[in-house]
Amino acid sequence: SQQGEEDPQALSIQEGENATMNCSYKTSINNLQWYRQNSGRGLVHLILIRSNEREKHSGRLRVTLDTSKKSSSLLITASRAADTASYFCATDALSGNTPLVFGKGTRLSVIA
Amino acid sequence: NAGVTQTPKFRVLKTGQSMTLLCAQDMNHEYMYWYRQDPGMGLRLIHYSVGEGTTAKGEVPDGYNVSRLKKQNFLLGLESAAPSQTSVYFCASSTGAYNEQFFGPGTRLTVL
Repeated sequence: SQQGEEDPQALSIQEGENATMNCSYKTSINNLQWYRQNSGRGLVHLILIRSNEREKHSGRLRVTLDTSKKSSSLLITASRAADTASYFCATDALSGNTPLVFGKGTRLSVIA
Repeated sequence: NAGVTQTPKFRVLKTGQSMTLLCAQDMNHEYMYWYRQDPGMGLRLIHYSVGEGTTAKGEVPDGYNVSRLKKQNFLLGLESAAPSQTSVYFCASSTGAYNEQFFGPGTRLTVL
């Protein structure tokens, strides 16, 4: 399995601080995606970064990808209580049409 | 656009009973997926479909069957429910294997 693994499993920060989550994977990929899941809800897509990209921004989100280390990080700047959620990375396979594989997620708590 | 909808939202079954979960999407997506989510396990793919009339097994297909008779619908069946199938089930859809997935709100199933 080339499942991504997020680190840490849980993270608790104060509002206004930055939150960094990491994802490591095992085999070469086409792209890597990050999703957010609020408690009791379905996952929502945040950002997709392609294997030939090193960094991508979307609002307060910054994603980096290091294909040599097979790792990615998600940075949320100036966090808010509403950012409290679980965050998952998802990876695809370099070849074939196999579906994305999701990691187990990082649970982020932002304390007001 | 309703996006991805799931029916029902909650269900309680007794061991050995059968049921069908319905997923519908109005985005004309080719790919549809069924996942289960258990505490500490992340999302695990049960079955998926790459188009109308096609289905394929995912990571944890045992005890489940699926059908994709219409492009917009993907049904997940449990023929003889077991307590181990107590979980939250999510349906998702996408335009392709590597593309963003859109998730439904989930179905919380309890098997007694």
